[in-house]
Amino acid sequence: AQTVTQSQPEMSVQEAETVTLSCTYDTSESDYYLFWYKQPPSRQMILVIRQEAYKQQNATENRFSVNFQKAAKSFSLKISDSQLGDAAMYFCAYGTNYGGSQGNLIFGKGTKLSVKP
Amino acid sequence: DAGVIQSPRHEVTEMGQEVTLRCKPISGHDYLFWYRQTMMRGLELLIYFNNNVPIDDSGMPEDRFSAKMPNASFSTLKIQPSEPRDSAVYFCASSFGGIYGYTFGSGTRLTVV
Repeated sequence: AQTVTQSQPEMSVQEAETVTLSCTYDTSESDYYLFWYKQPPSRQMILVIRQEAYKQQNATENRFSVNFQKAAKSFSLKISDSQLGDAAMYFCAYGTNYGGSQGNLIFGKGTKLSVKP
Repeated sequence: DAGVIQSPRHEVTEMGQEVTLRCKPISGHDYLFWYRQTMMRGLELLIYFNNNVPIDDSGMPEDRFSAKMPNASFSTLKIQPSEPRDSAVYFCASSFGGIYGYTFGSGTRLTVV
C-alpha cells in the first residue's frame, strides 16, 4: 500500500526567508502524481503545486518549487521569500490515475508552518 | 463555476441523531470524493464515485455511514445514528478523469455531543 510521510510536524521561518518542507512516499508504481496542499485556518484545501512522476523537471509556481527525487521517493517543497500569508498546515499527497484508485489521494499527516514577522 | 459547494458549513448534533452532509460538485466533473479529517487520523478517503456510481467505499468506517449520488450534481453523506467519535471535518472533492482539476469544497465541521 502507498504511504506518505511528513517527518516535520512543525516548522518555523522568518518572513522573507526560505523554508523547505520534507515529504517521502512509498509506492511500487512508476506512474503517479504528487501534490502539496495548503490548509489555512479557514480549512480550505488549496492546491499549491503538482508534479507528474514521469516529468523529470521539478515543478515551480512563483515562490513555490519542489525537489522531486523519484529514486529516493522524496518530494520536498521549498517556499522562497516567505510571507505571513504562507502560515498554514501543508499536506503532501500522492495519487494515481489508473487501476481502481483513480483520484484517491493519500495524504501525509501535515506540517504546520509558522511565519515570524 | 462556484467550485465545490458543501453544506452545512458547521453542524452540531446530539448523539444518536441522523446527520446529512451535502455536496454539489463542479459541473462536468465525473469523479466525486468524500474525505474525513481528524487530528488522530489526518485526511482519509471514505468513498468515491465515478459517473454517479460508487467505486470504492472501503474507507467508510461502519454501517452507520452511507453515501449516495443520485445525479451528477449532488451527493450526500449520511450518518445514522451519529456518535461523538464521528466529530470531524468532512470534505467533498470533485475532479475530471480521476486526478485532473481536483478541487475540494470548504468542508463541513461536524460536532456530535
